[in-house]
Amino acid sequence: DAGITQSPRYKITETGRQVTLMCHQTWSHSYMFWYRQDLGHGLRLIYYSAAADITDKGEVPDGYVVSRSKTENFPLTLESATRSQTSVYFCASRVKREIALGEQFFGPGTRLTVL
Amino acid sequence: AQKVTQAQTEISVVEKEDVTLDCVYETRDTTYYLFWYKQPPSGELVFLIRRNSFDEQNEISGRYSWNFQKSTSSFNFTITASQVVDSAVYFCALSGARWDQGAQKLVFGQGTRLTINP
Repeated sequence: DAGITQSPRYKITETGRQVTLMCHQTWSHSYMFWYRQDLGHGLRLIYYSAAADITDKGEVPDGYVVSRSKTENFPLTLESATRSQTSVYFCASRVKREIALGEQFFGPGTRLTVL
Repeated sequence: AQKVTQAQTEISVVEKEDVTLDCVYETRDTTYYLFWYKQPPSGELVFLIRRNSFDEQNEISGRYSWNFQKSTSSFNFTITASQVVDSAVYFCALSGARWDQGAQKLVFGQGTRLTINP
């Protein structure tokens, strides 16, 4: 089906382990985003990408790495997970650079728990 | 810097009551966009509305209405005759209009958890 999918939907890991959250979209949108949702903070931007091989930091990038070798995929890696990275992670995409020109779509989210 | 404040952390009302969710924002930009998203218990984010800063007309969509007041930097959301299915967390968000004005991100408020009791 068309849309944004995230995998896994739920993940439990231990402090210090590497974890990769996957995001896949079928629309060939140029722009993709990773947000984390924490109680009391709403959603905050971690990283974004304007196209394949073009990524940039958002508001809270520390401890995360992204890559975008293909337009449709935007994986987020926690190189050494910490408890403070326990959160719900949302991937999003849109076709246009300016949000006024196109809808931004969110994936279903990945709930990550770091023990 | 852009900021969105939703001062109401939780609201609980009885079904059929009207309820207003407050949203106050800060931005130095003259052109910007405001949004409301709904997050039901299932967890996904559902887009409700996008409003351009130049368009101060109130909008109504069924039981939902939005009051945008630039003078007070507010973009409040009212649900009329609330229903149990309206129970969710609601987020207000702000984005710059241009890439160099922060259009690459949505700045979210903290969210308001709305519970509609039968």
